[in-house]
Amino acid sequence: EAQVTQNPRYLITVTGKKLTVTCSQNMNHEYMSWYRQDPGLGLRQIYYSMNVEVTDKGDVPEGYKVSRKEKRNFPLILESPSPNQTSLYFCASSSVGGFSSYEQYFGPGTRLTVT
Amino acid sequence: SQQGEEDPQALSIQEGENATMNCSYKTSINNLQWYRQNSGRGLVHLILIRSNEREKHSGRLRVTLDTSKKSSSLLITASRAADTASYFCATDEVTGFQKLVFGTGTRLLVSP
Repeated sequence: EAQVTQNPRYLITVTGKKLTVTCSQNMNHEYMSWYRQDPGLGLRQIYYSMNVEVTDKGDVPEGYKVSRKEKRNFPLILESPSPNQTSLYFCASSSVGGFSSYEQYFGPGTRLTVT
Repeated sequence: SQQGEEDPQALSIQEGENATMNCSYKTSINNLQWYRQNSGRGLVHLILIRSNEREKHSGRLRVTLDTSKKSSSLLITASRAADTASYFCATDEVTGFQKLVFGTGTRLLVSP
């Protein structure tokens, strides 16, 4: 079954304690992206990756890091989480081709609370 | 940066009625996509309409695109309780390579 998986699904942590949210897709997609969703703000892109070892900032990259060492995996790293990073996080993937985008496949989400 | 703005923010209808949601955007696009999100879950792709298309159908869904007005609409016909969800439009800007910009969504409630 084609899917994007994220772990953990729920996480409560304290300010400053480094954490990683994993994302994996089994569709051989080149493009992967991280979003955060906050009430009234919709989805905002944090980072994206066009392929292995190719990553770039989205609209709200501050406080986050990513890496893309393998095509299927795209972890999101919070080196020193702060309460304003409390949010619902989604990983997504898609094919690439030309200049326009394709449909994105989303993971189930990770609800992060930073106290 | 927010591109798509959905209207209305919330919509409440009875089963069997049609639901129409609108999306307006600001810049030139390659395509526009609609997604559905059940409460707190991942988004599910519904339909993609390219900038040179005016209308597209998928089952009970009908999407229109008017690039001159920079707007799109999503029509769900004969709504069911299972259609209760949030609906988002996402625009693929001409200047943003492969980037989708999501609106804030329309919350649809379909009552039995």
